[in-house]
Amino acid sequence: DAGVIQSPRHEVTEMGQEVTLRCKPISGHDYLFWYRQTMMRGLELLIYFNNNVPIDDSGMPEDRFSAKMPNASFSTLKIQPSEPRDSAVYFCASGTDNSYEQYFGPGTRLTVT
Amino acid sequence: DAKTTQPTSMDCAEGRAANLPCNHSTISGNEYVYWYRQIHSQGPQYIIHGLKNNETNEMASLIITEDRKSSTLILPHATLRDTAVYYCIVRPTYNNAGNMLTFGGGTRLMVKP
Repeated sequence: DAGVIQSPRHEVTEMGQEVTLRCKPISGHDYLFWYRQTMMRGLELLIYFNNNVPIDDSGMPEDRFSAKMPNASFSTLKIQPSEPRDSAVYFCASGTDNSYEQYFGPGTRLTVT
Repeated sequence: DAKTTQPTSMDCAEGRAANLPCNHSTISGNEYVYWYRQIHSQGPQYIIHGLKNNETNEMASLIITEDRKSSTLILPHATLRDTAVYYCIVRPTYNNAGNMLTFGGGTRLMVKP
């Protein structure tokens, strides 16, 4: 298995632009998680899905952030409009009820100038 | 959720055992202790977990005290590739979501030649 796949690996954009981060979970996994990591706040959960349905989005910082999972093999995290404080590494992870592990992707490093 | 306390950083000589402590004095009876690590520029990686008994796998050993208020992750023969941030996480098992992880600051382990 290729593991969790994220794209792009690096994104540089200007303030005010729309940013879309993509994630392909491991096949057969029914949980998908989006995390954000910054020096100030560490690694924090933004939102997670179960069977493509958003379960808890309490970690989403504000309305500029939205996440979707149109099918079991694809999810997006969108920021519109982006701001410099959104600069961070965004990780996607997947897992199942039968496994205690969460499998993390390599992350997307976002820089908003 | 129970909170964890870990030293900010530790050093270990290559080839020696690395012992990483974690305090979780408010842990509940049904909560598991998990360990993840994050190597620089990568996503977190699951290491091991346990409830009451000591656990061992191909990566590490987990020693949990009898009162469950603290635990120690042991890397028996640390290599340079074990240099990473190690996170001790207490996860509730009653949560229907089943896979929530809350990351703290972790311990930055530096393995030196």
